[in-house]
Amino acid sequence: DVKVTQSSRYLVKRTGEKVFLECVQDMDHENMFWYRQDPGLGLRLIYFSYDVKMKEKGDIPEGYSVSREKKERFSLILESASTNQTSMYLCASSFQGPSSTDTQYFGPGTRLTVL
Amino acid sequence: AQTVTQSQPEMSVQEAETVTLSCTYDTSESDYYLFWYKQPPSRQMILVIRQEAYKQQNATENRFSVNFQKAAKSFSLKISDSQLGDAAMYFCAYSPYQGGSEKLVFGKGTKLTVNP
Repeated sequence: DVKVTQSSRYLVKRTGEKVFLECVQDMDHENMFWYRQDPGLGLRLIYFSYDVKMKEKGDIPEGYSVSREKKERFSLILESASTNQTSMYLCASSFQGPSSTDTQYFGPGTRLTVL
Repeated sequence: AQTVTQSQPEMSVQEAETVTLSCTYDTSESDYYLFWYKQPPSRQMILVIRQEAYKQQNATENRFSVNFQKAAKSFSLKISDSQLGDAAMYFCAYSPYQGGSEKLVFGKGTKLTVNP
């Protein structure tokens, strides 16, 4: 079974702190994604990566950056956390099929609270 | 830009009954994929069912089936013989065919309650 893990289920940080959210997948997937999930807004894509050291902005990249130094690991960085970044953060990964869209597999999520 | 609309924020169904969740989408593409994902309370999001736009036949997975109407840009999910374990948030999602780094566009979700 595909396994996507996230470093923390719950995280509480203070405004202005630098925050790292880690995601690891064990299925050699090329694609990895970071979403945030807010009630009434669904899931919104922050960043995604289709290869090591490659990244592209999603729909809401402001205030975030990412790092992908190894294929299995994709990190989301909040350079200076703000209260409006309080949210559930979901990581996902998928194969990069040559002719089809493959399923995205999701991690359990990190609920981040910024005080 | 592509959009996905789920017009029912909440739905409820009696155990063993059938329920249909609605989803419409907007795209100018001809090749794309549609998905329904399920997120149980405090648990991981999992894929329920997927549909390739070029396939006319509606996808089915056990008690889950879709009604895909390409011209109407509609993609509803039918859950038959509902079970307590079906209670969850359900998200409809769209992905264009890009032959590589496919991204999903999600609807805002429908919260399904199953009453015993």
